[in-house]
Amino acid sequence: KQEVTQIPAALSVPEGENLVLNCSFTDSAIYNLQWFRQDPGKGLTSLLLIQSSQREQTSGRLNASLDKSSGRSTLYIAASQPGDSATYLCAVNSDRGSTLGRLYFGRGTQLTVWP
Amino acid sequence: GAGVSQTPSNKVTEKGKYVELRCDPISGHTALYWYRQSLGQGPEFLIYFQGTGAADDSGLPNDRFFAVRPEGSVSTLKIQRTERGDSAVYLCASSPTGNMNTEAFFGQGTRLTVV
Repeated sequence: KQEVTQIPAALSVPEGENLVLNCSFTDSAIYNLQWFRQDPGKGLTSLLLIQSSQREQTSGRLNASLDKSSGRSTLYIAASQPGDSATYLCAVNSDRGSTLGRLYFGRGTQLTVWP
Repeated sequence: GAGVSQTPSNKVTEKGKYVELRCDPISGHTALYWYRQSLGQGPEFLIYFQGTGAADDSGLPNDRFFAVRPEGSVSTLKIQRTERGDSAVYLCASSPTGNMNTEAFFGQGTRLTVV
């Protein structure tokens, strides 16, 4: 069974810092990997989608990398702002026949950026 | 609507009662997913629809849980004889096709509390 782990579980930083959030997964048979943002009491907002053949994706101050063979992804947030405070979830889309299309999520990293 | 809509946003029910949770996917999206998120955890897969049929229902925890999508659009998740352990946020997501390379768009979720 695919297991997704996110480190750290929580992170508190002052505004302006550059951050790295880590995600690892145990089964490299994936179609893609998505990073989501979840605000308290809200649903999930997709931030970046990296296909299994890609190495990285960028959107604004966000950059996500993928090393499929080693089962790792990182989300880099540049020049963090208080509005970035949220929980960040990593999810992999399985490529296994029996679980095709299913997203496996980590527990998330709870980020607090203080002014 | 522009996004995935879930109703109700909150539901409080007594142990043993029956509940229905509704999901309106993005118009034209053929793939629909239900996930359950317990406090402090990442979302866990319940069921995946492709059109009207359940392509994968292996995530449903037991036979008290059932979901339908009779016309290939709106879906209803039904829980019989609710238990306190069913308390969680139930998330619905949709994606344009069955192509696994497309991203999933999530609704705001229904917070179910069983007392």
